[in-house]
Amino acid sequence: QVQLVQSGSELKVPGASVKVSCKATGYTFTKYAINWVRQAPGQGLEWMGWIDTDTGNPMYAQGFRGRFVFSLDTSVSTAYLQISSLKAEDTAVYYCAKIQGGGNMFDQWGQGTLVTVSS
Amino acid sequence: DIVMTQSPDSLAVSLGERATFNCKSSQSVLYSSNNMNYLAWYQQKPGQPPKLLIYWASTRESGVPDRFSGSGSGTDFTLAISSLQAEDVAVYYCQQYYDTPFTFGPGTKVDIK
Repeated sequence: QVQLVQSGSELKVPGASVKVSCKATGYTFTKYAINWVRQAPGQGLEWMGWIDTDTGNPMYAQGFRGRFVFSLDTSVSTAYLQISSLKAEDTAVYYCAKIQGGGNMFDQWGQGTLVTVSS
Repeated sequence: DIVMTQSPDSLAVSLGERATFNCKSSQSVLYSSNNMNYLAWYQQKPGQPPKLLIYWASTRESGVPDRFSGSGSGTDFTLAISSLQAEDVAVYYCQQYYDTPFTFGPGTKVDIK
């Protein structure tokens, strides 16, 4: 069955970098874009952007340009989110989610990765 | 950007009773060329990722119980739970996928009265 499995929780100090992975199984990885969504503690969902898994072309939402990088390794059907120069306000659960294909709704989500930034 | 608002912020409904909540977009998410509303509803239970319930404003995702229904068009949408079950306690988010950035509403929290 279709699954997105993300890497485990991370604890980082301010200024460090983190790379979150999202491994896809059960479907052809390059057929559907992968989105990244942030959820700060106790808050709602914020779309960070997406990456075209066929071309590798990323699109970043305003507010996620510069320190955030989406990438792929199609040989292992995995998408990555890298955040550099981490700040305390980056503390959040980060989700990957694939689009359905018939439209850009998100029909499968990873379990989420908690990134905690604290000194 | 299309701004999504939801009301109420929270509601408590007795088991077996009907729950309805609303979502409004700052501009129409109805695409005229195909007459489809680019609006989805997600359910998020504590400690879990969101789950797609409804898309195209009224199409239930496979496996979603038929007590969940979506309606509306243009800028005003409603999600209804016809007979609330204990497992429906969650936060419900609407999302537009009409245009990037894809935006979510702030959510409606549903509890048992």
